[in-house]
Amino acid sequence: IAGITQAPTSQILAAGRRMTLRCTQDMRHNAMYWYRQDLGLGLRLIHYSNTAGTTGKGEVPDGYSVSRANTDDFPLTLASAVPSQTSVYFCASSPGQGESYNEQFFGPGTRLTVL
Amino acid sequence: QKEVEQNSGPLSVPEGAIASLNCTYSDRGSQSFFWYRQYSGKSPELIMSIYSNGDKEDGRFTAQLNKASQYVSLLIRDSQPSDSATYLCAVIDLRDYKLSFGAGTTVTVRA
Repeated sequence: IAGITQAPTSQILAAGRRMTLRCTQDMRHNAMYWYRQDLGLGLRLIHYSNTAGTTGKGEVPDGYSVSRANTDDFPLTLASAVPSQTSVYFCASSPGQGESYNEQFFGPGTRLTVL
Repeated sequence: QKEVEQNSGPLSVPEGAIASLNCTYSDRGSQSFFWYRQYSGKSPELIMSIYSNGDKEDGRFTAQLNKASQYVSLLIRDSQPSDSATYLCAVIDLRDYKLSFGAGTTVTVRA
């Protein structure tokens, strides 16, 4: 049982390049999320998806896009990376139903450096 | 924007003692509350969730919720060196289902 996997583990990227961070979950959770974590700023929501086929903007969506073609995958794309997007990115998912509706479980993270 | 405030750390406690972590939130619409533990360089791990006023115990962890005071706390009894981590308080508003995190409190348990 893998839970949530993210790829790559880490990446160094030149500014202006396009990058897609991958996230896959095998728990059949309805909802998925992308966060970034920066020292002193905590975890901030970038985008979310309550169910396959729908997405929404979080607190810091600018410069990022997402898609949710199926239940398992929720990729995050940086169309043209900038140094301020240097961060640790976490994907998370929650059941979206039942008693633990809102309990979010996190993937291992991707450390991204934009130079 | 919901605000979630945690007591500033770091918090250092001797092994075997009780570590007490506090969290206040600004939005009275918040309905669900969570504590996550994050080891350095790792992802957040859910350790407690609480939805109703009162106490909830799970092993050495006790979460306490007081919605009237907009306050949630986490007690770690019989603290162990393996409890040394950053603890994140998170609240969710069922109107938008978005989770807001506090900045975290770093706990160090001294052997």
